[in-house]
Amino acid sequence: QSALTQPASVSGSPGQSITISCTGMSSDVGGYNHVSWYQQDPGKAPKLMIYDVSNRPSGVSNRLSGSKSGNTASLTISGLQAEDGGDYYCSSYTSSSTLVFGGGTKLTVL
Amino acid sequence: EVQLVESGGGLVKPGGSLRLSCAASGFTFSSYSVNWVRQAPGKGLEWVSSISSSSTYIYYADSVKGRFTISRDNARNSLYLQMNSLRAEDTAVYYCASSLSPTHPETPGYWGQGTLVTVSS
Repeated sequence: QSALTQPASVSGSPGQSITISCTGMSSDVGGYNHVSWYQQDPGKAPKLMIYDVSNRPSGVSNRLSGSKSGNTASLTISGLQAEDGGDYYCSSYTSSSTLVFGGGTKLTVL
Repeated sequence: EVQLVESGGGLVKPGGSLRLSCAASGFTFSSYSVNWVRQAPGKGLEWVSSISSSSTYIYYADSVKGRFTISRDNARNSLYLQMNSLRAEDTAVYYCASSLSPTHPETPGYWGQGTLVTVSS
């Protein structure tokens, strides 16, 4: 199972919007609506930010939104804040009943 | 409050074995699927294995199939990962992650703090 493809890095200034893409195949991202996004700070455990493509767990800012088109899912963060910085990972359920993660994207708030 | 606490990590020689444990509290553990996810130093997340609530369904990544065994004891609210024939490339922080809810078995929603496994001679 190959990892999902994410850009290595993304950056934006406070107040701006950024989008992180996550590209897979029809056997994972394209075939299921079980795409999740995680934020990870250095030395910490990942934190779930988006699940089932576009749903936010309780307590997650509504500045984060998720979407999917074909084999590519996207995470958009609007009104960037310093606290949004960190590493972001997407994940997807697969046709083999396994999970696959993306390689991760480092978000820098300038 | 959901809590997952991993233990059992450490330094082991190539070819050796190690057993990781994950103690769960704050939720009905027996109703949730659970996963092991690892992260090599400076690298991204890699899903390792998952087990359904009643242990009926068990899955492994190809990279660990035949060497690692996942299991759980719902009476003890505990998850385990028996790791045999360890290789240098198994060096990573290992996270225990439970599903978001009983109806979202495919979404690791709650994560422990991780335990470091180092495979080196």
